[in-house]
Order: sequence, then structure tokens, then C-alpha cells
Amino acid sequence: GQQVQQSPSSLVLQEGENAELQCNFSSTATQLQWFYQSPGGSLVSLLSNPSGTKHTGRLTSTTVTKERRSSLHISSSQTTDSGTYLCAIGASNYQLIWGSGTKLIIKP
Amino acid sequence: EAAVTQSPRNKVTVTGGNVTLSCRQTNSHNYMYWYRQDTGHGLRLIHYSYGAGNLQIGDVPDGYKATRTTQEDFFLLLELASPSQTSLYFCASSDGGGDTQYFGPGTRLLVL
Repeated sequence: GQQVQQSPSSLVLQEGENAELQCNFSSTATQLQWFYQSPGGSLVSLLSNPSGTKHTGRLTSTTVTKERRSSLHISSSQTTDSGTYLCAIGASNYQLIWGSGTKLIIKP
Repeated sequence: EAAVTQSPRNKVTVTGGNVTLSCRQTNSHNYMYWYRQDTGHGLRLIHYSYGAGNLQIGDVPDGYKATRTTQEDFFLLLELASPSQTSLYFCASSDGGGDTQYFGPGTRLLVL
């Protein structure tokens, strides 16, 4: 079945540095979403980006569909960006297939 | 933005116990989902529904029943809870099957 792999599994940065998160998937995806999970567990959708480049605030997502990869760039990281970033793709039956996430730690 | 609420937020039960997790969404979304999240596995889909009275099986349905009583309400039932069902449970909703999913705050379940 479809698989989603995220890298790195964890990333530690100093506040102000930029973060680059990767998501690779095993088959063509018509839907791709990035989520943020806080250290407390709450889950929120950040971006829906099945192809091309999308910006929101300090976040930029670039998805290259034919290469089956997506990236999430966080510019000028802040300590409040710490948490886990999850990538999910849409399966043929509209279910989401999830990666295991990148744990991001931003040090002050 | 879609509002999805879950109750209870935390639950402790014993092996063999009966547990019902509740989810309500107030934005008239058609689709609702139940996931569990465990370390090393990410989120896994248990059941989902595309309307009142409808139920679809997800990837890890064993040991779980679900019921969609109204468009707003989706319940997850564990009739004979086991320690392997200790997990963080999320409910989500979306307008269409391929649309952005909005998540509730999660329920932490501990089965002793």
C-alpha cells in the first residue's frame, strides 16, 4: 500500500534558524496535507498542498508530484514552533496515509 | 473554522471494561473519522463515516465499533477494552472525502 516517509525524524535548531522538513510518498497523491502537533497533543492542519508551492506566514510548502516529495520550510524559527510536524497524503478512497512525523525542537 | 469537540479528554478503565468516546462537529461536515495515535505508528484510521447511519472500516478496526447517530455526532465504542487499546484517540471531520480534515483535541485512554 501507499507509504509516507518523513525526514529527519528529529531536528534541533536555534531560534531564528530555518527548518526544512521532507515528506516522500510511494505513489502519486492527489491530496497532501501538513499538520502540526503540539507537545500537548493537539493537532492542527497547516497547509494543503498537493502540487506546487504554497505560502502561509513563515511556512512554505513545495510539492513535486512527479517526484513524489514535498517539503515544508519554516523560516525564522521560534520556540513556539517546537512540536511534531506530520505529513499525510490522500489515498484512492480518500483516507489519509500518515507519516511518522518530524519532531522539531527550537532552542532559545 | 470547523469546531470538533471530544469527550472525555482523559479516561482510565480496566481490562474488559466498556468505553464510549464521543465526538461532535458543528460545521455540518459530511465525513467524520476516528484515529488512534501510538508512538512509532503515527495516526491510524479506525473507522470513518460519510453521513448519519453510515460506517466505513478503516485500517485498524478490530476491537472497535463506531456509530454515527447524526451528522454532528460520531461515537467510538470499546466493548471489551484491552491494554493494547491504550492510546491517544482523535476524531476529525471534513466536508468532502478529499478535503482538509479538522481535528478534535484528542482523548487519552488508559486501559489497566
